[in-house]
Amino acid sequence: AQSVTQLDSQVPVFEEAPVELRCNYSSSVSVYLFWYVQYPNQGLQLLLKYLSGSTLVKGINGFEAEFNKSQTSFHLRKPSVHISDTAEYFCAVFRSGNTPLVFGKGTRLSVIA
Amino acid sequence: GAGVSQSPRYKVAKRGQDVALRCDPISGHVSLFWYQQALGQGPEFLTYFQNEAQLDKSGLPSDRFFAERPEGSVSTLKIQRTQQEDSAVYLCASSAHSGGPADTQYFGPGTRLTVL
Repeated sequence: AQSVTQLDSQVPVFEEAPVELRCNYSSSVSVYLFWYVQYPNQGLQLLLKYLSGSTLVKGINGFEAEFNKSQTSFHLRKPSVHISDTAEYFCAVFRSGNTPLVFGKGTRLSVIA
Repeated sequence: GAGVSQSPRYKVAKRGQDVALRCDPISGHVSLFWYQQALGQGPEFLTYFQNEAQLDKSGLPSDRFFAERPEGSVSTLKIQRTQQEDSAVYLCASSAHSGGPADTQYFGPGTRLTVL
C-alpha cells in the first residue's frame, strides 16, 4: 500500500528564515501528491498539489514544493516564514484509481519571533 | 461562501454510549469523505460517498461505525457502544465532483470526541 513519511515531527524556525518540511512517499506507480496545512481549531486547507507536468509546484502563502521521482520525495519549502505560518503541515498521497487520501503523521512548524 | 461545517464541535461520551456526528458539506458538492485523526497522527480515511451512495467504507474500523448520507447532502457518522479507543477528531471533507486527485477536498473543522 502507498504510504507517506514525514521525517520531522517538529520544526522550529526563526521568523524570516527559510524552512523545508520533508516528505517521502513509497510507490512504484504514478502518484498524486499534496500538502495540507492545519491551523489550530481549523480544518485542513490545501496548500498545493502535484498531479503532473512541472515538478516545481507553487502554492498559497508563498509555499512551494518539488516532486523528485528518483528520490521519491515531495519536500515543502518557503524562503521566509512568518509567525502566521505556525501550524501543522501534512503531506498526502493519492494513488491513481484509489480514492482515499493517505496522510503522513504531520510536521508541526513553530515560527519563533 | 459557506464552507464545510460539523456539529457538535466537541462531544464527551461515556463508554458504551452511542454518538452521532453531523457533517454539512459545501452546497452542491457531490463527494463526501470522513476521516479519523487520532492525537499526534495524520487523518485516516474512514468512508466515502458519491451523492447518496457509499462507494467505499473500507476504513471503518469496526461494525460499530456506520455512516449515511440519505439525500446526498448532509451526512451522519454514528458510533455505537463507544470505546476509549474511539477518542479522536473526526473530520469531514467534501469535493465538487467524483473525488479524484484533481478534485480538491475541502475540510470541516472536525468534531473532537472524547470517550471516558
